[in-house]
Amino acid sequence: AQTVTQSQPEMSVQEAETVTLSCTYDTSESDYYLFWYKQPPSRQMILVIRQEAYKQQNATENRFSVNFQKAAKSFSLKISDSQLGDAAMYFCAYRSADFTASKLTFGTGTRLQVTL
Amino acid sequence: DAGVTQSPTHLIKTRGQQVTLRCSPKSGHDTVSWYQQALGQGPQFIFQYYEEEERQRGNFPDRFSGHQFPNYSSELNVNALLLGDSALYLCASSLGQLSNQPQHFGDGTRLSIL
Repeated sequence: AQTVTQSQPEMSVQEAETVTLSCTYDTSESDYYLFWYKQPPSRQMILVIRQEAYKQQNATENRFSVNFQKAAKSFSLKISDSQLGDAAMYFCAYRSADFTASKLTFGTGTRLQVTL
Repeated sequence: DAGVTQSPTHLIKTRGQQVTLRCSPKSGHDTVSWYQQALGQGPQFIFQYYEEEERQRGNFPDRFSGHQFPNYSSELNVNALLLGDSALYLCASSLGQLSNQPQHFGDGTRLSIL
């Protein structure tokens, strides 16, 4: 079974600064997808960014980028130019490429605070 | 373009009762997954419905059951409620079962058991 670990329960960053959230995972599969989801107090899970394991190039979405290290099974999220609206819970998630096992497996989350 | 909608928003039940939660998928989506998110935890996969059949199931007892209708909407039923069933229940929809299709989440139903 796959597991996802987020070792930082809380992180804090000043507005306009950069922060990196850590995530490690364990799997015996070679093909899979990794995701970062944001959950603000409104509760809705919002997809921030995703990475296909077969792609060596790190995914980027505007101010959000990842550092995907497949051999180390590490998948960190970097948020640049942090904004007050970035404050939320961030969840790292794993999904097998096998469509018969396409559930999302989530970590326990990191609460990000953004200060002025 | 309507996103994933869940009802009700909030629900309070007592131990031993039964509850039904509802989900309408995003327009164009045909696959619905349900997750349970306990306070301070990440969501845990309950089950997934596609073509009106349960296709995958997580480690949840038979008290948790579901249904998918021809219009792709879905229900989650929980019988004999326990205090530990108190959680946020999230519904996610996607197009097909392929893993490269992103799942879109609703706002969830907060279930409180007294």
